[in-house]
Amino acid sequence: ETGVTQTPRHLVMGMTNKKSLKCEQHLGHNAMYWYKQSAKKPLELMFVYSLEERVENNSVPSRFSPECPNSSHLFLHLHTLQPEDSALYLCASSQVYPTGSGYTFGSGTRLTVV
Amino acid sequence: LAKTTQPISMDSYEGQEVNITCSHNNIATNDYITWYQQFPSQGPRFIIQGYKTKVTNEVASLFIPADRKSSTLSLPRVSLSDTAVYYCLVGDGLTGGGNKLTFGTGTQLKVEL
Repeated sequence: ETGVTQTPRHLVMGMTNKKSLKCEQHLGHNAMYWYKQSAKKPLELMFVYSLEERVENNSVPSRFSPECPNSSHLFLHLHTLQPEDSALYLCASSQVYPTGSGYTFGSGTRLTVV
Repeated sequence: LAKTTQPISMDSYEGQEVNITCSHNNIATNDYITWYQQFPSQGPRFIIQGYKTKVTNEVASLFIPADRKSSTLSLPRVSLSDTAVYYCLVGDGLTGGGNKLTFGTGTQLKVEL
């Protein structure tokens, strides 16, 4: 257990479904991140929240909608996804943003879009 | 933004020492060098961080030459469980400002019996 908890660990959804990924950290960190990792590709930064405000949105399609209700929780709402969105979605936190170190990652949600 | 270059893959055998070198020619004065380890279907895990010379912890050592344009992660006596992807990141760890960290493709280390 790393201190960052992601649920669910695995998710299979149809292209017309709506689902949400959840991330929770109790490390006292002020920044939280969503990353996407597709097979054989580097991690792609999707969103960054610092002090509960979104500070980065790296050209992510609108079918991905993040939410940060408080400093400990981060959600990624999914709707009308495409098969190419199948990937490992990782949540991370850090004490401050930007950071040169100290990312703590969760174990990820393995998403399959059918 | 400091770009890093690492070998795509390395192979080793149990009990050997493994050295993975990362190039970061445009590293900035305030940048630290951080290494992460990632197992399949898990998030990356912090291994070690350094600024210059040598840093050692219970898992690895990090060697950084005087010009800081490269760094070498050294894993002593690897085992099968060290099979993973290793990422080298360069960024500002002092004030939290400046460079943002970017994960490259990493180095896939495969350890065999």
